Amino acid sequence: GESVGLHLPTLSVQEGDNSIINCAYSNSASDYFIWYKQESGKGPQFIIDIRSNMDKRQGQRVTVLLNKTVKHLSLQIAATQPGDSAVYFCAENGGAGGTSYGKLTFGQGTILTVHP
Amino acid sequence: DAGITQSPRHKVTETGTPVTLRCHQTENHRYMYWYRQDPGHGLRLIHYSYGVKDTDKGEVSDGYSVSRSKTEDFLLTLESATSSQTSVYFCAVSPTDNEQFFGPGTRLTVL
Repeated sequence: GESVGLHLPTLSVQEGDNSIINCAYSNSASDYFIWYKQESGKGPQFIIDIRSNMDKRQGQRVTVLLNKTVKHLSLQIAATQPGDSAVYFCAENGGAGGTSYGKLTFGQGTILTVHP
Repeated sequence: DAGITQSPRHKVTETGTPVTLRCHQTENHRYMYWYRQDPGHGLRLIHYSYGVKDTDKGEVSDGYSVSRSKTEDFLLTLESATSSQTSVYFCAVSPTDNEQFFGPGTRLTVL
């Protein structure tokens, strides 16, 4: 899972395996969460989001799971491909409403390496 | 890609000089954000805008100012660049104050 510090967590998998990337978020008031993928030299790319009234949401080859009890978020990637190699970030909104204006707090990221 | 461009993409400057980075979007989204990304710190919010001429400070706003005179452009200015501002700067936009879409980034080096 993600943590604050100089060294990012890493996950190495073989092509075709399923990957699970974890994230512990900090703010119990957060009600919106996003996963981003960032390839080297590029900006973060939106993957999937989930609201706090849901426990699970599926996209194309990706699933996000939310456990509000323990403030944990996970991203599952099915049949991982070499093109999935990147840094993955989770982000939380700290609670909507008021003057939040969509501000997000990002985790440190996890490096996913997929071996052919 | 939400039609986001950033300019310049790379810049090298000297300590004490002013620097302005530009973010341009083509989708007329209301919300715009400036982040910096550094090893060990992830993405940190510098300033954000919730409309034309409506801006506010983020987590790491010291040494930075912003302006948004029209919907499509959000400018980030370093009044007097310092070496600690060497970083990769990302602009993001959001139509609904939920999901944010990022630009390609500007790599700034302050010597």
